[in-house]
Amino acid sequence: EADIYQTPRYLVIGTGKKITLECSQTMGHDKMYWYQQDPGMELHLIHYSYGVNSTEKGDLSSESTVSRIRTEHFPLTLESARPSHTSQYLCASSEVGGQGSYEQYFGPGTRLTVT
Amino acid sequence: KNQVEQSPQSLIILEGKNCTLQCNYTVSPFSNLRWYKQDTGRGPVSLTIMTFSENTKSNGRYTATLDADTKQSSLHITASQLSDSASYICVVSDRGSTLGRLYFGRGTQLTVWP
Repeated sequence: EADIYQTPRYLVIGTGKKITLECSQTMGHDKMYWYQQDPGMELHLIHYSYGVNSTEKGDLSSESTVSRIRTEHFPLTLESARPSHTSQYLCASSEVGGQGSYEQYFGPGTRLTVT
Repeated sequence: KNQVEQSPQSLIILEGKNCTLQCNYTVSPFSNLRWYKQDTGRGPVSLTIMTFSENTKSNGRYTATLDADTKQSSLHITASQLSDSASYICVVSDRGSTLGRLYFGRGTQLTVWP
């Protein structure tokens, strides 16, 4: 089982609140990712990081922001939550490598509901 | 456009039966193809990963095949168990970027009944 953790697992919050979704991994992986997944739909990459102080936006435009101050920690922040942000957020990590068969490990996800 | 299509969208089988899930992709240039199992409310867990030169790979009761010429893959589950109930996601990676971008299918929702 992968050593990648997300908290909280479930969050119900009101519109306009600031929230931070936590993600941490103990595998020493340099690459980390955030995905958004709606029920019955595919995962969409919203942020990724190659390492400390590196953050990039993914394919799906997102109002969230991320930071990477430590290798093991990759939090995602929403400054002002809206109902459209209701979704499942999955964090993942992988080793840095070429375009080979690197494995991507996923956390259990955070189910966010904004009322 | 790089896409991954899976079929069927959902499938119900009886415990002990076999089943096969399909995946077609248009991702190019191709790097590798993975099958993930995602239990409800959990993150995906890797079952198999295959590169261009591999056409079959097994992981216990799961056997994946890959035809890189026709850009098709299948996941065969043998002697299904109740714990196999989950979404099975086909994921294709390209080699056109240093990120090795992943393209996800929408998954096949498998339900195994006793």
